[in-house]
Amino acid sequence: AQSVTQLDSHVSVSEGTPVLLRCNYSSSYSPSLFWYVQHPNKGLQLLLKYTSAATLVKGINGFEAEFKKSETSFHLTKPSAHMSDAAEYFCVHGGSQGNLIFGKGTKLSVKP
Amino acid sequence: KAGVTQTPRYLIKTRGQQVTLSCSPISGHRSVSWYQQTPGQGLQFLFEYFSETQRNKGNFPGRFSGRQFSNSRSEMNVSTLELGDSALYLCASSIAGDGWETQYFGPGTRLLVL
Repeated sequence: AQSVTQLDSHVSVSEGTPVLLRCNYSSSYSPSLFWYVQHPNKGLQLLLKYTSAATLVKGINGFEAEFKKSETSFHLTKPSAHMSDAAEYFCVHGGSQGNLIFGKGTKLSVKP
Repeated sequence: KAGVTQTPRYLIKTRGQQVTLSCSPISGHRSVSWYQQTPGQGLQFLFEYFSETQRNKGNFPGRFSGRQFSNSRSEMNVSTLELGDSALYLCASSIAGDGWETQYFGPGTRLLVL
């Protein structure tokens, strides 16, 4: 069965420093993986997705993620955090019939 | 294109009542999925509809049901509400519900059961 584990429930960084949000997946086949972001009282917005075309995936707002099959990881990074990046981030595994499998989420705090 | 819309945005109900939530997908999208988001359980898949047929269902009791209309709009119904049903209910649409597709989410309906 597919599953996703987000290794940190809360990450705190200072503005202008790098962001690393960690995600490991478990899948019996080549996975589709996504990162979504949820700002307070807002819906979920897609940041980026991996669909096997390239292992390094670039998303919106300067985020990127690297698919590493040997480590079963899909960590999200950003070189320099901005205050507006404060939100909850979800690593997600695509299912076969419309069922996305969500990690528990990582709350990102950005200090001025 | 207009995004996914959900109505109502907020609802307050009492235990034992039933509730119907509505979701209008992006034009041209035929797959609609529903998710429940709670602080304790996170985001959990409820069910997915494609061309008016339920194709996939998550691990929720039969009190949770849904349907899809010929224009791809979807409704979900929760009967005999319990306190634990208080949650944010999100719907998402995609073209065909393929696991490789991006699902686009609506803003959600926040349900409070008293």
